[in-house]
Amino acid sequence: EVLMTQSPATLSVSPGERATLSCRASQSVSTNLAWYQQKPGQAPRLLIFGASTRATGIPARFSGSGSGTEFTLTISSLQSEDFAVYYCQQYNNWPRTFGQGTKVEIK
Amino acid sequence: QVQLVESGGGVVQPGRSLRLSCAASGFNFRSYGMHWVRQAPGKGLEWVAFIWFDGSEKYYGDSVKGRITISRDNSKNTLDLQMNSLRAEDTAVYYCARDRRYFESQEAIEYWGRGTQVIVSS
Repeated sequence: EVLMTQSPATLSVSPGERATLSCRASQSVSTNLAWYQQKPGQAPRLLIFGASTRATGIPARFSGSGSGTEFTLTISSLQSEDFAVYYCQQYNNWPRTFGQGTKVEIK
Repeated sequence: QVQLVESGGGVVQPGRSLRLSCAASGFNFRSYGMHWVRQAPGKGLEWVAFIWFDGSEKYYGDSVKGRITISRDNSKNTLDLQMNSLRAEDTAVYYCARDRRYFESQEAIEYWGRGTQVIVSS
């Protein structure tokens, strides 16, 4: 099983600031990496697939990068609606695995 | 638009069985791989199971392998999850979810249902 490790667990950011979230895979997953956003009481929402491609309707302030084992999600200027939990997921191998999540909170 | 509606959750005693269902609409169900993903209270997402568009391939998470069976009925646009020998740690919201593209074996999950709550407790 591919272990996905996200850091930090919690990120405190002021609105308008930049947020950088990291995700590391225990073995290469190529670019078969997705990022999801989840708000309390809601289902997850796909943000990024293929490590760097924004899903339909996702604002340009969200960007993803990386390949192999190291990945980054950047939110260029945090808006109030961006405070949420973010998960990475690899879909290169079975079983699919998620990271434990990074909570982005208001500083 | 794509809709995934889960049902079948509830309170069940440890060791008993439960069958979850997901009704899909708004897309060509028989062309897409489908997943179950769960989330224990206050915890992160855990991938549970996947079934290929035609049911020919199935994959399971390590924590549920041998106790859970995923199935689909493409004539009824439904996805099921049969859960046996339930444990307290199976308590979670269970989400039905769809792959982003059809006929693809390596894809992100694009659409999610609202989930159904399963509580395993005596």
